[in-house]
Amino acid sequence: DIQMTQSPSSLSASVGDRVTITCRASQGITNYLAWYQQKPGKVPKLLIYAASTLQSGVPSRFSGSGSGTDFTLTISSLQPEDVATYYCQKYNSAPRTFGQGTKVEIK
Amino acid sequence: EVQLVESGGGLVQPGGSLRLSCAASGFTFSSYWMSWVRQAPGKGLEWVANIKQDGSEKYYVDSVKGRFTISRDNAKNSLYLQMNSLRAEDTAVYYCASSSGGERYWGQGTLVTVSS
Repeated sequence: DIQMTQSPSSLSASVGDRVTITCRASQGITNYLAWYQQKPGKVPKLLIYAASTLQSGVPSRFSGSGSGTDFTLTISSLQPEDVATYYCQKYNSAPRTFGQGTKVEIK
Repeated sequence: EVQLVESGGGLVQPGGSLRLSCAASGFTFSSYWMSWVRQAPGKGLEWVANIKQDGSEKYYVDSVKGRFTISRDNAKNSLYLQMNSLRAEDTAVYYCASSSGGERYWGQGTLVTVSS
């Protein structure tokens, strides 16, 4: 099975900072990659699919890029409401494995 | 408005069984793959299983193969997860989700606790 590895596991940044989270697949998955945001105590929310397509209603400060094995989620200007854990997921085939998550906090 | 409402969770002894249900509304249920995703307390997300629109294809994570069965009833707009031979490590919140470019819509989840 394909493994999904996120880095870093956690980060702390200031409001307004640019934040980058990476996700690496152990084999190529073309662009079948989704990103989710899970705020504390809440249900996960789809942010990006097809590696770079923003889900409707998601703020434009979120963006995704990558193809094959290496992917990136970028928050262009971190806001207090972005405090959450972010997960990547591959969905080209089963099992639709998630990364282990990246916890984002405000410094 | 899309709604997914899970039910059926609870406390069960190791080796026991539970059947989770997910009632869907606000979208054409029969047009979507559906998934179950779980999250153990304080841990990350784990995809568990999914099922094709007509139920003809089903896939599972290795850790539940042979113990869990996913099914659906398109006439009732409902998704199910039959869980047998439950283990302590199956303790988690179980979410149902509609699958379209990832897991697009999620329910609120139902807690399954496996403990003696």
